[in-house]
Amino acid sequence: LAKTTQPISMDSYEGQEVNITCSHNNIATNDYITWYQQFPSQGPRFIIQGYKTKVTNEVASLFIPADRKSSTLSLPRVSLSDTAVYYCLVGLNYGGSQGNLIFGKGTKLSVKP
Amino acid sequence: NAGVTQTPKFQVLKTGQSMTLQCAQDMNHNSMYWYRQDPGMGLRLIYYSASEGTTDKGEVPNGYNVSRLNKREFSLRLESAAPSQTSVYFCASRGTGADNEQFFGPGTRLTVL
Repeated sequence: LAKTTQPISMDSYEGQEVNITCSHNNIATNDYITWYQQFPSQGPRFIIQGYKTKVTNEVASLFIPADRKSSTLSLPRVSLSDTAVYYCLVGLNYGGSQGNLIFGKGTKLSVKP
Repeated sequence: NAGVTQTPKFQVLKTGQSMTLQCAQDMNHNSMYWYRQDPGMGLRLIYYSASEGTTDKGEVPNGYNVSRLNKREFSLRLESAAPSQTSVYFCASRGTGADNEQFFGPGTRLTVL
């Protein structure tokens, strides 16, 4: 099973760029890397997903090095509303087994004014 | 579109009691999942169903049973509740496209006394 390791917490200020790194040393060849955001008392919400190199959408960028043993979620110009827990998920290889879904403990991001 | 709905929102059980958590999705997704989240922890996969008529164990299946009643509904049953099953339970669904996004329900907060 591809377990993940993330920092437990991070602090930032409004307007800064935040980078959260996830380590996944035993990622399988077909595994995707997915990031979710979770607010208190809510279910997680999808942010971004990638397989290799760089992926960008309207809210974040995901950087994945060639060896795929880590990934970095980049949040540009954070605001107070970005205060949440961010989870890195490895698995969900397209067409393959879905039983290897492992959420890490997440990174609690606190954005201060 | 209601997305993923779960009932009940809250439940208190005594040790040994049984109950079923209900989940339904209206997005015509093939895959559905049940997770549990303990305080300060990430999500752990209990069971999943890759398609109607199939179910498979996840990381922590002991003490639970599931039923994929039809494409829309996926229920989780606790036959004899234990205090260790006190947790927040999330149901999720996912389509079959290349996008592996999971959509989560609002959760059921279960306390076993």
